[in-house]
Amino acid sequence: SQTIHQWPATLVQPVGSPLSLECTVEGTSNPNLYWYRQAAGRGLQLLFYSVGIGQISSEVPQNLSASRPQDRQFILSSKKLLLSDSGFYLCAWSGGSGGQNTEAFFGQGTRLTVV
Amino acid sequence: AQSVTQPDIHITVSEGASLELRCNYSYGATPYLFWYVQSPGQGLQLLLKYFSGDTLVQGIKGFEAEFKRSQSSFNLRKPSVHWSDAAEYFCAVGAYNQGGKLIFGQGTELSVKP
Repeated sequence: SQTIHQWPATLVQPVGSPLSLECTVEGTSNPNLYWYRQAAGRGLQLLFYSVGIGQISSEVPQNLSASRPQDRQFILSSKKLLLSDSGFYLCAWSGGSGGQNTEAFFGQGTRLTVV
Repeated sequence: AQSVTQPDIHITVSEGASLELRCNYSYGATPYLFWYVQSPGQGLQLLLKYFSGDTLVQGIKGFEAEFKRSQSSFNLRKPSVHWSDAAEYFCAVGAYNQGGKLIFGQGTELSVKP
């Protein structure tokens, strides 16, 4: 069966510090990968998605970047965090292994607080 | 513009009572519709999805949803709510073969009174 791992679960970082959040998927190959952000009291907003290694699409302009160095690894980064980067970050995957790309499966999320 | 609206930010129901959470969407293509549930500090779990066919879809945990194209709605229902159903519920819309590229509503927080 497929599983998705996301870490760390909680992170407190000072303004101006770098960020690296990691997400890995097991049990499938060539999945589509996604990073979402959930701000306090708001819905989820798609930040980045990737259909393959090195292929990243950005949905909104921001202080963050994403990379996909391996097939099942997706990384969310920032060189200098802003207070407005605080939120709950969720990684998700869909499709993969030639299957139907019909629904997304989410990780447990990372709570990022920028202080 | 493509969007999903969940008009109710917070709903409180008594345990055993029926539940209906509202969702309206605006989408340029044939919509694929989803309901997800999120417990505090957790990821999202898929409750049910609608792609085509029967407009009443059954999901996990006793939930169902009805797609009404004429009203651009996809409301979630449960006949009898359990205390464990207290969580936040998100409606989302996407396109065919884009399973993870979703537009989410703002969410509805459900509280359950004993």
